[in-house]
Amino acid sequence: AQRVTQPEKLLSVFKGAPVELKCNYSYSGSPELFWYVQYSRQRLQLLLRHISRESIKGFTADLNKGETSFHLKKPFAQEEDSAMYYCALRMNNNAGNMLTFGGGTRLMVKP
Amino acid sequence: DTGVSQDPRHKITKRGQNVTFRCDPISEHNRLYWYRQTLGQGPEFLTYFQNEAQLEKSRLLSDRFSAERPKGSFSTLEIQRTEQGDSAMYLCASSLGWGSDSPWYGYTFGSGTRLTVV
Repeated sequence: AQRVTQPEKLLSVFKGAPVELKCNYSYSGSPELFWYVQYSRQRLQLLLRHISRESIKGFTADLNKGETSFHLKKPFAQEEDSAMYYCALRMNNNAGNMLTFGGGTRLMVKP
Repeated sequence: DTGVSQDPRHKITKRGQNVTFRCDPISEHNRLYWYRQTLGQGPEFLTYFQNEAQLEKSRLLSDRFSAERPKGSFSTLEIQRTEQGDSAMYLCASSLGWGSDSPWYGYTFGSGTRLTVV
């Protein structure tokens, strides 16, 4: 069965420092990976998808199939980045589009 | 359209009572999903609908849980004979989806219904 692991429950950095939120997955097929973010008192929302190869709010994530990882990175953290971040996996040819989520990492950016 | 709406926002119920939650998806979205999130965990898939058809149910969805989407628009999730272990945030999401080869842009989530069973 597929599984998504986010090893850090909490990551605390100072403003301007680099950030890396780790995500590892296990899945025998070819997955699609996503990062979702939940800011305080807001609903869960899509941040970025690996197939888009895009940078959103300065965040990037590269799918590394060899290491089965999809780490989220930002070179200079901002206080407004403080939020819960969830990595999620969609199985290839998953016509239902169900997602398997990791347990989440809380990012705190200190001034 | 104001996005995905869920009602109520909070529900406190006594153990053994039945509860029902409602989700109104984005009107043009044909797929609707229910997820459950307990404290410190990510969302876990419960079930999903394409239009009015319930196409997949997780093993997490015990016989006490039932979901409907009678006209392919809003959906209800009912929990019968609630237990303390049912206490969680119940999230609804909707998306466009018409096949595994189509581009997919992710869910739009609702704010959730927080259930507390006392």
